[in-house]
Amino acid sequence: GNSVTQMEGPVTLSEEAFLTINCTYTATGYPSLFWYVQYPGEGLQLLLKATKADDKGSNKGFEATYRKETTSFHLEKGSVQVSDSAVYFCALSDHGGSQGNLIFGKGTKLSVKP
Amino acid sequence: NAGVTQTPKFQVLKTGQSMTLQCAQDMNHNSMYWYRQDPGMGLRLIYYSASEGTTDKGEVPNGYNVSRLNKREFSLRLESAAPSQTSVYFCASSDRGGSSPLHFGNGTRLTVT
Repeated sequence: GNSVTQMEGPVTLSEEAFLTINCTYTATGYPSLFWYVQYPGEGLQLLLKATKADDKGSNKGFEATYRKETTSFHLEKGSVQVSDSAVYFCALSDHGGSQGNLIFGKGTKLSVKP
Repeated sequence: NAGVTQTPKFQVLKTGQSMTLQCAQDMNHNSMYWYRQDPGMGLRLIYYSASEGTTDKGEVPNGYNVSRLNKREFSLRLESAAPSQTSVYFCASSDRGGSSPLHFGNGTRLTVT
C-alpha cells in the first residue's frame, strides 16, 4: 500500500543553519505531496504542496520538489529561525483510496537554538 | 474566521466511561475527518465523512463511532473508553478530499485512566 517515510528526529540546529528533512514515498499512480507543520499545542497547518512531478512547493522560505524518479519530497530551508521550531509531517494524498485520504509520515521534530 | 473548532480541549476519563468529542467547521467544507496522534506514530485516520450524510471507517475505527450531524458538525464518540484510547484527537476538514489541503482543529487531549 501507499506509505510515507521521513527522517527520524529530533533535529537540532542553530539559528541561520541550513535545513533538510528527508521524505520518501511509496505510491501507485500520481499522488499529490504535502508538508504540514505543527507548532506546540496546535493542530497541523499546511506548509506547502506539489501536485505533479517536478513541481516545487514553497512557502515561508521552505521549499520541496516533487521528484518522481527518486520518489522523494525533501523539505529544505536556507536559514532557519527559532520560530521554525515545530514538528514537520510529510504526507501524500491517497487518490487510490475512495476518500482521497492523506497518509502521513511519523513527523520530524525540529528545534532551532538561538 | 474560526476555521475548525474542537471541544473540549482536555478530558480525563475513567476506563469504561463514555464521551463525545465535538467538531465544527465554518468553511463550508464537504469532507471531515477524525485523526488520533500518538508519539512516534504520526496521525492515523479513525473515521471520515466525505460528504454530509456519509461516514466511513479509516485505519483505526475500533472503539469509536461518529455522527455527521450536518455539513458543519462531525462528532466522535467513545462508548466505553479504554487506556489504549489515551491520545490527542484532531478533527480536520477539506473542500473535496484528494489534493485539497486539510484544515485542522487544535486538538483534544484525552487521558483514560
